[in-house]
Amino acid sequence: EADIYQTPRYLVIGTGKKITLECSQTMGHDKMYWYQQDPGMELHLIHYSYGVNSTEKGDLSSESTVSRIRTEHFPLTLESARPSHTSQYLCASSEGLAGYEQYFGPGTRLTVT
Amino acid sequence: DAKTTQPNSMESNEEEPVHLPCNHSTISGTDYIHWYRQLPSQGPEYVIHGLTSNVNNRMASLAIAEDRKSSTLILHRATLRDAAVYYCILRIQGAQKLVFGQGTRLTINP
Repeated sequence: EADIYQTPRYLVIGTGKKITLECSQTMGHDKMYWYQQDPGMELHLIHYSYGVNSTEKGDLSSESTVSRIRTEHFPLTLESARPSHTSQYLCASSEGLAGYEQYFGPGTRLTVT
Repeated sequence: DAKTTQPNSMESNEEEPVHLPCNHSTISGTDYIHWYRQLPSQGPEYVIHGLTSNVNNRMASLAIAEDRKSSTLILHRATLRDAAVYYCILRIQGAQKLVFGQGTRLTINP
């Protein structure tokens, strides 16, 4: 059973607001990821981290930022939300060495009005 | 990244086997074949992976063609809970990133 959590599950917020999407895992995984998925579409990697103080941008350009101060925590921040940011955001983690399985959280569905 | 091609959708009946195909003609020798599935309103979950030999686990079987240019995910006895989008993904050995395609939307009829 994967132990990866995301909060909030749903968020409706107005344009211009700053938001932080939380992601935590209790498995001690070194690697963590953020994906963005529009309804009915494929997932796109927007950020990843291979360990504490390590963050990289993914394959899809995103205006969001991430931080990795603790192993278990990988929050994603949007400084000024816009309607184009409306999407589902999925967090995942995997083991550091020969980890091949990514464990996904339930996702945060963000709507910016 | 090498590409995979999957049918957009498939339909099957409950308690029957389901064979989900995936073409990956540009696969390289170090690419692993991974399958994930995404149930409605949930994040994806790992199903199975393999390199050259066929693989079995509690969820499914993975049959890999001898030339590795295609593979098939086999659900031996589908249930309604198997209705999901199934993604076939190639992962370079040692790489951690996964590149998701459109996947196959599987519908299971009661």
